[in-house]
Amino acid sequence: NAGVTQTPKFQVLKTGQSMTLQCAQDMNHNSMYWYRQDPGMGLRLIYYSASEGTTDKGEVPNGYNVSRLNKREFSLRLESAAPSQTSVYFCASSEELANEQYFGPGTRLTVT
Amino acid sequence: QKEVEQDPGPLSVPEGAIVSLNCTYSNSAFQYFMWYRQYSRKGPELLMYTYSSGNKEDGRFTAQVDKSSKYISLFIRDSQPSDSATYLCARVSGGSYIPTFGRGTSLIVHP
Repeated sequence: NAGVTQTPKFQVLKTGQSMTLQCAQDMNHNSMYWYRQDPGMGLRLIYYSASEGTTDKGEVPNGYNVSRLNKREFSLRLESAAPSQTSVYFCASSEELANEQYFGPGTRLTVT
Repeated sequence: QKEVEQDPGPLSVPEGAIVSLNCTYSNSAFQYFMWYRQYSRKGPELLMYTYSSGNKEDGRFTAQVDKSSKYISLFIRDSQPSDSATYLCARVSGGSYIPTFGRGTSLIVHP
């Protein structure tokens, strides 16, 4: 039982490049989330998926897209990376929207 | 103003001390609160969640909610160097069901 897994662990991109961050959970959770964490800013919600087939914007969605591929997997895509997207990205899941969340280990992204 | 406020610290205490970590929130409608521990360069780890006012205890950890003053606290008894981490509080309000996180408080427990 791995919980929430994320790939890659680290990534360096040049401005304008695109990439997809992958997240998977093996807890049979319905809801999944993407956050970014910046120094002094705490965790900010980018997008979430309440259940398979649905996605909604969070606090800071601009510059990102998401796909809920199936119940297990929720990916985050940066179409044209910008230096402002340099951050640590965390995926999380919960049984339902209102339940406690379990986090993955994070992806450290640097955009130069 | 962020909905959930935490003092960023760092809070430095000697081993064995009782630690008090606090959050305040600005909206009176709420469902429940959560506390997370985050070690450096790791993901947040759920410590406790509580639905109501009063205390909830789990080993050395006690979560306390005071609805009247909109204040939530996490107490750590017999603190250990391994408790050194950043502690995040989160609030889930009725309606959105999406948690709002505080910025976290950095705790250092020195031997």
